[in-house]
Amino acid sequence: EAAVTQSPRNKVAVTGGKVTLSCNQTNNHNNMYWYRQDTGHGLRLIHYSYGAGSTEKGDIPDGYKASRPSQENFSLILELATPSQTSVYFCASGDGGINQDTQYFGPGTRLLVL
Amino acid sequence: QQQVRQSPQSLTVWEGGTTVLTCSYEDSTFNYFPWYQQFPGEGPALLISILSVSDKKEDGRFTTFFNKREKKLSLHIIDSQPGDSATYFCAGRGSALGRLHFGAGTQLIVIP
Repeated sequence: EAAVTQSPRNKVAVTGGKVTLSCNQTNNHNNMYWYRQDTGHGLRLIHYSYGAGSTEKGDIPDGYKASRPSQENFSLILELATPSQTSVYFCASGDGGINQDTQYFGPGTRLLVL
Repeated sequence: QQQVRQSPQSLTVWEGGTTVLTCSYEDSTFNYFPWYQQFPGEGPALLISILSVSDKKEDGRFTTFFNKREKKLSLHIIDSQPGDSATYFCAGRGSALGRLHFGAGTQLIVIP
């Protein structure tokens, strides 16, 4: 069974503070993703990675940085958190197969920026 | 610009009924279309997927249809059950492997 874990599961941050969301996968997948989920917008891609050391911008990268130090770990960094970044964040991993391109999601992190 | 549009935003059906969710997409290079199911408090999980070379794929009570000419796809759930109550997302993938574009989701409630 694919396994993606996220920490913390819940986070309260202050405006202007730094927030780091962590993700670990034991699937040995090359690809990892960070999404945010907001009502009416579905899942929006923030950053993704094709392997250790690589990061790519998704559809809404402004205000976020990403780091992929190893195959297993992928972090999302909010250097200066703002209330508009209050959301639920999901990490996912996948192997990017041609005919079956399944992404396995973690349980999510609820972030509240005050 | 939203690449994938999904409707309805929410839907309520009676137990035993048939649920139909629909999506449309813009990019004609999209060739892979998964549907994800998400229960409250959990991450989404793959439910069923279809490649653009097919027009129908079935998995138990769930069937997805694909219409390349109209750039539309749909998810049909027959004999809907209260346990099917969840949010459903369609998505599309183009030439960039692993890069999915998700719709806004449909919240389904199945009433016993």
